[in-house]
Amino acid sequence: KAGVTQTPRYLIKTRGQQVTLSCSPISGHRSVSWYQQTPGQGLQFLFEYFSETQRNKGNFPGRFSGRQFSNSRSEMNVSTLELGDSALYLCASSPRTGTAYEQYFGPGTRLTVT
Amino acid sequence: SQQGEEDPQALSIQEGENATMNCSYKTSINNLQWYRQNSGRGLVHLILIRSNEREKHSGRLRVTLDTSKKSSSLLITASRAADTASYFCATERTGNQFYFGTGTSLTVIP
Repeated sequence: KAGVTQTPRYLIKTRGQQVTLSCSPISGHRSVSWYQQTPGQGLQFLFEYFSETQRNKGNFPGRFSGRQFSNSRSEMNVSTLELGDSALYLCASSPRTGTAYEQYFGPGTRLTVT
Repeated sequence: SQQGEEDPQALSIQEGENATMNCSYKTSINNLQWYRQNSGRGLVHLILIRSNEREKHSGRLRVTLDTSKKSSSLLITASRAADTASYFCATERTGNQFYFGTGTSLTVIP
């Protein structure tokens, strides 16, 4: 099976702009989670989508939003970008079956806000 | 806030030696997982241990879990240069949210 893909891989934006990142999960996986990784804060959970519904949300401002489509592909959007939004954004998919499941991560999108 | 804290933050060893890293967490969990991340890339799942398990093996990896102490350890035996990476523990609590630790940066010197 093809792995998790994320596009674009690199992105440079200026403050105040908005950005949309895309994630295609592994075929058959219905859960997609998003994480923000920065040197100072480490990996922080943004949100999780399952079958087009947001099931969990981390402690991020409303400028961060996401959605999931019927084919399980997911997008996350960050509006009114701030310098502190510069980070590696990771997407992870999971079959989410059973009581414990592992996540499969994509390579990430490196966002730089100037 | 993060759930897990790895210790040490950085570890440097010679090839062939064993590497041990620890993870402590704060609340009760359903399971704990370890992931590896090569420089600036996505994370790769290594091993999952459930809250009712105490030890698990996978190849050169050995994971222990002590729920009374809220801690876990990852042992990599006979390390190789290719093991150089950052290692993260991730805890899953009720609600299916994952909380990642701060990571241990492992350098294996050939």
